[in-house]
Amino acid sequence: ETGVTQSPTHLIKTRGQQVTLRCSSQSGHNTVSWYQQALGQGPQFIFQYYREEENGRGNFPPRFSGLQFPNYSSELNVNALELDDSALYLCASSQQGVGTGELFFGEGSRLTVL
Amino acid sequence: QQQVKQSPQSLIVQKGGISIINCAYENTAFDYFPWYQQFPGKGPALLIAIRPDVSEKKEGRFTISFNKSAKQFSLHIMDSQPGDSATYFCAAGASGDYKLSFGAGTTVTVRA
Repeated sequence: ETGVTQSPTHLIKTRGQQVTLRCSSQSGHNTVSWYQQALGQGPQFIFQYYREEENGRGNFPPRFSGLQFPNYSSELNVNALELDDSALYLCASSQQGVGTGELFFGEGSRLTVL
Repeated sequence: QQQVKQSPQSLIVQKGGISIINCAYENTAFDYFPWYQQFPGKGPALLIAIRPDVSEKKEGRFTISFNKSAKQFSLHIMDSQPGDSATYFCAAGASGDYKLSFGAGTTVTVRA
């Protein structure tokens, strides 16, 4: 069984640039959620994708957007990067209907905005 | 607005001791309370979870205690080992919802 994989693991961008982060869900999982984890904080929910549609969204501006593909993999796109976007971005996959919160996280993409 | 409040921020315990982490919530719709363990450079991993129909759940050295009336739950790590040194997050979710709300985390250091 393949776990959740994310790429890239680390990246550095400058303010105003755009970034795309990628996630492959765990085998058998059809739902992908994205979380932002600032240094020393707990993960904060960004949005969730199910059946290639956004299924719910947290308190993040529209410059945070995403996609889910037919193979259940997903992308997180952030436009007009700000310094506060520096964080660990976590992808989590789950099987819709299994039960709230049974999330399986990847190791994350560490984004630094200069 | 943080929906789950976690304490302490950090703790140090001797090998063989007990680590206790506490969490409190306000949203009475929450009905799923997991704990995640995160090692440096890794993503969080589910450790143990509880639903409100039980007051305690034990898995090996890890126990969750749940107090529905007080809207509090806690994680007890018995016989703490150096390999337990990690950051622990409590979280809460509601049936039919699509997200977990996480606490701010507790960094546990187990001294040999």
